[in-house]
Amino acid sequence: DAGVTQSPTHLIKTRGQQVTLRCSPKSGHDTVSWYQQALGQGPQFIFQYYEEEERQRGNFPDRFSGHQFPNYSSELNVNALWLGDSALYLCASSFGVGMNTEAFFGQGTRLTVV
Amino acid sequence: AQKVTQAQTEISVVEKEDVTLDCVYETRDTTYYLFWYKQPPSGELVFLIRRNSFDEQNEISGRYSWNFQKSTSSFNFTITASQVVDSAVYFCATLSGSARQLTFGSGTQLTVLP
Repeated sequence: DAGVTQSPTHLIKTRGQQVTLRCSPKSGHDTVSWYQQALGQGPQFIFQYYEEEERQRGNFPDRFSGHQFPNYSSELNVNALWLGDSALYLCASSFGVGMNTEAFFGQGTRLTVV
Repeated sequence: AQKVTQAQTEISVVEKEDVTLDCVYETRDTTYYLFWYKQPPSGELVFLIRRNSFDEQNEISGRYSWNFQKSTSSFNFTITASQVVDSAVYFCATLSGSARQLTFGSGTQLTVLP
């Protein structure tokens, strides 16, 4: 049973460019959440997708957008990249949006903006 | 708003020692969950334990145990007889009804020396 898979594992982009990160949830899961983890810090919630809609959003600008597909996989898009967007981007999947649900995390995508 | 504080930035112990990781949380909700996650160098967040706000019973699971005290808003985590493989960053997190997203602390880097 495959867990949460993210691609690519590493990415280098130039300031001002756009990037798309991908996430496939664990089998049986229908909810995907994205987190940004800057070096030396804890993960920060970006947004959550359920039933192909953004259900919750953290304190991130509109440059951060996402999408969920009918097969529950998800994409995170970041436009007009800043140097400060360099971070580990983690995807977490779960079943439903209730509180009593365990989130499983992928290994993340390490984004470096130069 | 939710907030999680992990005052210990780094801890080093010698193998077989017991180690306790501290966590203090803030929330206005009466219903919430508390979590501990482990992040090895590979980057993936590994779920360790979850506790809901109505259950203050402390438990032991193998070498792991936790001490949940609502009176002091603390949720401390203890590893007994530490092993080198326990070396990782440990995150405490909370999830509540008003903000159904994980809010993480800044993490504690645990190094277990042989």
